[in-house]
Amino acid sequence: AQSVTQLGSHVSVSEGALVLLRCNYSSSVPPYLFWYVQYPNQGLQLLLKYTSAATLVKGINGFEAEFKKSETSFHLTKPSAHMSDAAEYFCAVYVEGFQKLVFGTGTRLLVSP
Amino acid sequence: DTGVSQDPRHKITKRGQNVTFRCDPISEHNRLYWYRQTLGQGPEFLTYFQNEAQLEKSRLLSDRFSAERPKGSFSTLEIQRTEQGDSAMYLCASSPSSDSVGYTFGSGTRLTVV
Repeated sequence: AQSVTQLGSHVSVSEGALVLLRCNYSSSVPPYLFWYVQYPNQGLQLLLKYTSAATLVKGINGFEAEFKKSETSFHLTKPSAHMSDAAEYFCAVYVEGFQKLVFGTGTRLLVSP
Repeated sequence: DTGVSQDPRHKITKRGQNVTFRCDPISEHNRLYWYRQTLGQGPEFLTYFQNEAQLEKSRLLSDRFSAERPKGSFSTLEIQRTEQGDSAMYLCASSPSSDSVGYTFGSGTRLTVV
């Protein structure tokens, strides 16, 4: 069954530092993978998605993620953190045939001045 | 179009009461999904509609839960005899059939059962 694992429930960075949020997937078929961001008491906003085109996917707000089949990973990065990036981030895999997203448990990004 | 709209944004109810939430998807999207998100967890799939047909239901959707999408437009999610464990954020999303992974989420309804 398709699933994702997010390593680290909390990640703390300083403003201007590199952001790296980890996601590993399990899938028996080529996956569709997503990163979403959630601000407090808000819904989910799509940051980027991988749909088997380019392995390096660029998203909104300067985020990008690289699909690495050999490592079954889809880590999210941003070169320079901004205070406004502080939020909860979710990795997800799309389960074709069941028409649903399966989410990881989330990583809370904390950004300090 | 203003995206996926959910109403209410917040609901506080007493244990044992019934509650109903509404979701208005993006008008041209024929697929609609409900997810539940408990504190500190990722969203979990509850159910999925294509037009008015409910095509998939999670085992999380106990017999106290019912979802409808009459006429294939808005959807309602009803919880009967609420329990404290039902306290969560209920998220609705929609997508077009031409792009099944093109989900748009609403802002959610936060339910607190006291």
